[in-house]
Order: sequence, then structure tokens, then C-alpha cells
Amino acid sequence: DADVTQTPRNRITKTGKRIMLECSQTKGHDRMYWYRQDPGLGLRLIYYSFDVKDINKGEISDGYSVSRQAQAKFSLSLESAIPNQTALYFCATSDPYRGAYNEQFFGPGTRLTVL
Amino acid sequence: GEDVEQSLFLSVREGDSSVINCTYTDSSSTYLYWYKQEPGAGLQLLTYIFSNMDMKQDQRLTVLLNKKDKHLSLRIADTQTGDSAIYFCAESDRSNTDKLIFGTGTRLQVFP
Repeated sequence: DADVTQTPRNRITKTGKRIMLECSQTKGHDRMYWYRQDPGLGLRLIYYSFDVKDINKGEISDGYSVSRQAQAKFSLSLESAIPNQTALYFCATSDPYRGAYNEQFFGPGTRLTVL
Repeated sequence: GEDVEQSLFLSVREGDSSVINCTYTDSSSTYLYWYKQEPGAGLQLLTYIFSNMDMKQDQRLTVLLNKKDKHLSLRIADTQTGDSAIYFCAESDRSNTDKLIFGTGTRLQVFP
């Protein structure tokens, strides 16, 4: 079984709809991240959480919100989707006690299309 | 702000060497990373280098770090079709080393 899972894998929605993307992990990591990937722009950080009570904005948090329901679950919501939120979304985890370097473990991604 | 730049595409013949380049801005980054994204999948850490090193070799992979020029490169020897992927360079965020700043990614295409 995959260590970091994302649901759904693909989603097509309409402008103005509320969308939730879910991420679950079985790695036991405290740290979780949400990124979006756009061609030519690489990965950009939306939100990150270093534990259940710690939520932080990334570089492009406008239009998004998150919820850390448990150590293993971190959800990303688009309150009112717009077409320029069409992208590939990735969840990732990391373990600060693993070593001095920061290896992040990524889910398979959710491809979101907003019409 | 911090910025990590890469060329977008690289095309090589199978068996040749590939060199993927990256420039970064934060000279205080302790570690620099190369991640690989295969088609339809998330990113996976390929290798990393500690900032006090100039070179790191791991089988077919060689990482070179030029701190003076803030330049990082990844060389893949004897490139295979299975190496076709997007390769991302990443550095630690200056304000929070637990955050990574990723480059734009280089799509490597290997042709027979």
C-alpha cells in the first residue's frame, strides 16, 4: 500500500464550486505539505503543517484553506474554485527526526480541472 | 526573494550522459536536493548534497556544487529510457529550513 495517498486522483468541477482534496499518510510523520504544480512554474507551496495544531501559509495560500484532522490527515479546500486553480496538486510529508536533511515523501497527485 | 531556476527541457540519446543544471539564490542553504518525477507520479528524492561538499557520486549519478556561483548540476551517466522524467532541484527556505523551494523542473527525454 502507498504511504501517502490522495483522493480523488482526478476531478473536474465548475467555477464557484467548493472542492476538498484529501491526503492521508501511514508514515507516522508530523509534517505535511500541500503543493500545486503548474507547467513551467515547478512546485509552489500552498500550506504546511508541522503538527496537528500548527498550520502555516505557504507562498500561494490565497483562495485555499486547509484542515489537519489528525496526524495522518491533511485536507485542502478550494472554497470557490476558479479556472486558474486548474493544476496538479501534491501532498507531501516529512519527518524532522529522520536526519539533518529534509526528505519529503509525495503522494501521487490530484489533477484538478476547473471549468 | 528566493528563486531556483532550471532549463525546461533536455533531450539526450540513450547511452549518452545527461547534465541537468540549476541555479539557486540562498547561499546559506545547508542541503540541496534533486527530486525525480516520473510520468503520472509524485516526486521522489533522488539525491542530495551537503553544502560543504563539492561533489557527490552515487552509481550513475554525480552531483556537482559550485557555491561561489550558486550552481548545482546533476549528471546521469549512461542515460537510459527509464531516466525519462522531470527533475527538480530544491533548496531549503532561508526562513525555515524545513520548507523546500523547488525549481521549475527539467523534463528529460531520452531517445533511442
